[in-house]
Amino acid sequence: RKEVEQDPGPFNVPEGATVAFNCTYSNSASQSFFWYRQDCRKEPKLLMSVYSSGNEDGRFTAQLNRASQYISLLIRDSKLSDSATYLCVVTLPYGGSQGNLIFGKGTKLSVKP
Amino acid sequence: DGGITQSPKYLFRKEGQNVTLSCEQNLNHDAMYWYRQDPGQGLRLIYYSQIVNDFQKGDIAEGYSVSREKKESFPLTVTSAQKNPTAFYLCASSDPLTARGHRDTEAFFGQGTRLTVV
Repeated sequence: RKEVEQDPGPFNVPEGATVAFNCTYSNSASQSFFWYRQDCRKEPKLLMSVYSSGNEDGRFTAQLNRASQYISLLIRDSKLSDSATYLCVVTLPYGGSQGNLIFGKGTKLSVKP
Repeated sequence: DGGITQSPKYLFRKEGQNVTLSCEQNLNHDAMYWYRQDPGQGLRLIYYSQIVNDFQKGDIAEGYSVSREKKESFPLTVTSAQKNPTAFYLCASSDPLTARGHRDTEAFFGQGTRLTVV
């Protein structure tokens, strides 16, 4: 089982749609959780951190369920500029054998006019 | 401004040649990482370092080498043993939760180096 799994996508949605991304992680010792956005041929950039209490930033809402080891990202009123690949990232305890950062493979989103 | 810098942005390698990709950060981060990304694919971990003078192999370390002599620098050498080196290489740094009680920070990425074999 992979450490971090995401919906394979791609997601093709019309402008204004609401789209949800899901991510599960296998290591219960995972400490911190993030969503990154990666545009084509660019480096990933932090979109938002994810907390158990939920985190909202404008049209974006992230949720964490530690009991189910599940992370979600909701994008409301999607824009053409939201088209990108969304990466789920978890961190493992310092000193672990796999490095600290574990990335999902990403889910590609295409927002159409 | 603090950040992480990769150079060069584009690099061309001849068959049988070793090349070194630079990665420098002034964020005072302990951990640094190298990833490879092929078109349409996810990030794959090549090497990582959680502290100066120590580094560990990732999932695809064969044909690559690294050093971590200074906290701010983590260069990656793509050796001639790497048979298919054409890819997008990304360097990242972070400040993992440590016994000192520092909180995890998010990872910061350099702008990447696009390596092509000619």
